[in-house]
Amino acid sequence: DIVLTQSPDSLGVSLGERATINCTSSQSVFDSSSNENYLAWYQQKPGQPPKLLIYWASNRESGVPDRLSGSGSGTDFTLTISSLQAEDVAVYFCQQYYRIPLTFGPGTKVDIK
Amino acid sequence: EVQLVESGGGLVQPGRSLRLTCITSGFTFGDYAMSWVRQAPGKGLEWVGRIRNNFYGATTQYAASVKDRFSISRDDSKGVAYLQMSSLKTEDTAVYYCTRICSWGCFDNWGQGALVTVSS
Repeated sequence: DIVLTQSPDSLGVSLGERATINCTSSQSVFDSSSNENYLAWYQQKPGQPPKLLIYWASNRESGVPDRLSGSGSGTDFTLTISSLQAEDVAVYFCQQYYRIPLTFGPGTKVDIK
Repeated sequence: EVQLVESGGGLVQPGRSLRLTCITSGFTFGDYAMSWVRQAPGKGLEWVGRIRNNFYGATTQYAASVKDRFSISRDDSKGVAYLQMSSLKTEDTAVYYCTRICSWGCFDNWGQGALVTVSS
């Protein structure tokens, strides 16, 4: 199974400051035939289901603010919130869809400092 | 608007069975694979299994933790997906989310979830 780890476990950031979340995969999720990384990011607010933010590691889902961005390739990925807003308080999960079983990272909680 | 609505959750004793239903609307159900993802109280997300669309033979795949106990099926005429759970264990206690799988494999739409509590 592909194991995803995330760091940090939690993060306190001042409003307007940058938040950076890392996701590391136990094996590469890059597919050379499609030239894509099979990695997605989700946001989950309290009491709500997760919401897809990013797919193919860096493609923003429709309606997602451009202050949220994804980067990385192979085994190392990053979700960046360029200027934290109050509505960004949530838990963020990475997920790989390269191999069955589909797996998620353990999550990173983002709060206002 | 894409909508996924789960039902059928509740309290069940260990060893018993339960079936969850996911009623969908707002998209052509038969074009998509569907999946179930669960979240134990205060914990992270765990993929349960998926069912591909009929073009791919409606084949199913499951997490090791539920294989041989859980079964996913679909009724394209009704736009409904099912999760049949048997031999339930206390560790199956979780909110179960029905999700649509986008063309490339991620979960692009989620239901609000159904809470399943396995306890004597």
